[in-house]
Amino acid sequence: AQTVTQSQPEMSVQEAETVTLSCTYDTSESDYYLFWYKQPPSRQMILVIRQEAYKQQNATENRFSVNFQKAAKSFSLKISDSQLGDAAMYFCAYKASGTYKYIFGTGTRLKVLA
Amino acid sequence: ETGVTQTPRHLVMGMTNKKSLKCEQHLGHNAMYWYKQSAKKPLELMFVYNFKEQTENNSVPSRFSPECPNSSHLFLHLHTLQPEDSALYLCASSPRIYFQETQYFGPGTRLLVL
Repeated sequence: AQTVTQSQPEMSVQEAETVTLSCTYDTSESDYYLFWYKQPPSRQMILVIRQEAYKQQNATENRFSVNFQKAAKSFSLKISDSQLGDAAMYFCAYKASGTYKYIFGTGTRLKVLA
Repeated sequence: ETGVTQTPRHLVMGMTNKKSLKCEQHLGHNAMYWYKQSAKKPLELMFVYNFKEQTENNSVPSRFSPECPNSSHLFLHLHTLQPEDSALYLCASSPRIYFQETQYFGPGTRLLVL
């Protein structure tokens, strides 16, 4: 069965600094998608960035980028120039191609220090 | 943040009560989902609907009863719940279920069962 592991329950970063959140997953599939979602306190979960497994190039969205290591089954999220508004729970998620089930990790709470 | 709405935002109920959670999406999506979010646990997929038809019932106890009258509305009827059912219940939607589209989440209903 597929699993997603986020080994860092909580992380802190100084404003304007860079932080990396870790995510590993286990699957026997070769075609799948990976996502990072952000859930601010008392607000809706929104997509931060996503990666197709067949793409070798790492996805980037402004200050957010991923380090996708397919062989290692690792999918980390790097946040550059951290802002106070980045404080939230971050969830890593996996979805195999041709299925409808998203597998989520337990989340990492990110604190941004002023 | 108005693409997927959920009501009520907070709900306190006794174990003998009957209540319903409502979800509405204004995105023209065809798939809708119910998730249970408990602290320090991965999001737990409960039900999936595709074009109003239930696709997944992830071994959810019968005290949770979903209803999807159309592709825009999703309900979760609750009766004789247990204290361990206290959690954040999230609704999500996506254009289709078998592809790589992003899920759009509602703000959730925080449920407390006394």
